[in-house]
Amino acid sequence: EAGVAQSPRYKIIEKRQSVAFWCNPISGHATLYWYQQILGQGPKLLIQFQNNGVVDDSQLPKDRFSAERLKGVDSTLKIQPAKLEDSAVYLCASSSTSGGGQPQHFGDGTRLSIL
Amino acid sequence: AQSVAQPEDQVNVAEGNPLTVKCTYSVSGNPYLFWYVQYPNRGLQFLLKYITGDNLVKGSYGFEAEFNKSQTSFHLKKPSALVSDSALYFCAVRDRASSASKIIFGSGTRLSIRP
Repeated sequence: EAGVAQSPRYKIIEKRQSVAFWCNPISGHATLYWYQQILGQGPKLLIQFQNNGVVDDSQLPKDRFSAERLKGVDSTLKIQPAKLEDSAVYLCASSSTSGGGQPQHFGDGTRLSIL
Repeated sequence: AQSVAQPEDQVNVAEGNPLTVKCTYSVSGNPYLFWYVQYPNRGLQFLLKYITGDNLVKGSYGFEAEFNKSQTSFHLKKPSALVSDSALYFCAVRDRASSASKIIFGSGTRLSIRP
């Protein structure tokens, strides 16, 4: 089974620019997550989708971050405009359901550096 | 509110010795508990989970974890460490009491196995 695919792997931009990340989950996985992992910290959930609907976006900075999951498969996460504190690794994960005991499968992430 | 703590930033163990990585949690109800491992420049990989039943859970790569409800702990263990076990380990918890609860990750423990 193919894993969670993310691109790009690395991105360097200047502050106030915009950036977008793409994620393709494991085939058939209904639940998709975007996490932000700042160096030295654990992942923090930004947004969770169930199919193409948003389940939880309580920690998404909505003034600058947006995400969509068209057709309930691929997803994109956008930052506009970027700030220095957005420097982090952005991880996408998927699971077969949103059930409590289901493990999440992670992609290798996009490392974002803001200059 | 749910939380998880990994009290050790780093654990150093000699190859062949047993290892323990500590995790304590706080939830209002009963927990789902998880351990993940992260290698450099990679996403998190699922190791094992506790849902219910036997307090000793066995997972991938010879790892196991013991659920202790009275001490609210879920320590990760391995009888004999390998150099290849060197990585960053994350404990995570989800509150079973709420279907809307998200997974919360600890801050991570860096495990270093010396030859």
